[in-house]
Amino acid sequence: RKEVEQDPGPFNVPEGATVAFNCTYSNSASQSFFWYRQDCRKEPKLLMSVYSSGNEDGRFTAQLNRASQYISLLIRDSKLSDSATYLCVVNEVYKLSFGAGTTVTVRA
Amino acid sequence: NAGVTQTPKFQVLKTGQSMTLQCAQDMNHEYMSWYRQDPGMGLRLIHYSVGAGITDQGEVPNGYNVSRSTTEDFPLRLLSAAPSQTSVYFCASRSPGGQPQHFGDGTRLSIL
Repeated sequence: RKEVEQDPGPFNVPEGATVAFNCTYSNSASQSFFWYRQDCRKEPKLLMSVYSSGNEDGRFTAQLNRASQYISLLIRDSKLSDSATYLCVVNEVYKLSFGAGTTVTVRA
Repeated sequence: NAGVTQTPKFQVLKTGQSMTLQCAQDMNHEYMSWYRQDPGMGLRLIHYSVGAGITDQGEVPNGYNVSRSTTEDFPLRLLSAAPSQTSVYFCASRSPGGQPQHFGDGTRLSIL
C-alpha cells in the first residue's frame, strides 16, 4: 500500500466553480501535512500547510482528519491559473512522502 | 538568497556513463533530499540526509550514491547510467520538524 494516495483526477471544472479532493495517508504517526502545487513537471511549490483545526488561504481551504487519516483541499471560485497538479505531502519525521498528485483543469 | 540551486538543468548521457548532479542550498537547512519524477508518477525519494556526514536510502536508491560533506551541498552520483534512470530529478531542503520543503528547479536527465 502506498503511504500517500490521491485521486489522480483529472478534475475538469469551469471558471468560478468549487472543486475539492482528498488524500489519504497510511502512517498514523505522521506529524505534519502540506499541499504543494506543481505545474508541467516544474518544481513543486508550497501551496499551504494543513493544520488540525483546518485553515484557509484566500480561496483555498485545507482540512485534516486524523481519525480517518485524510486531508482535503477545496478551491473556491476557480481561476484558469489554478490549473495544475496538486500534491499531498505527509511528513514522517525525517522524510516526506508525496502523493502522485491530483490534476485540476479549469476551463473558461 | 538563491534557495536551492541544481546544476545542470538538462543533461544527455550515454548508457554506462557516470555523472554527478549538483545541489546546493543557502538556507542552512539540515535536511536535504533527492527525488526523481517519472511521467504520470509522483516524486520518489532516492536518498536523503539529516545533516552533514549523515545520509540514508529512500525508496529507490539503487544506481545512485550521495554524500554530505557540508551542510550546503548534497551531490547525487549516477554510477553507470541506464535508460531507466531517464527522469526529472529534484533536490530539496528543509529545516527539521514540521517545516515545508524547498525545491530546486530540477535536472532533466535523458539516458540513451
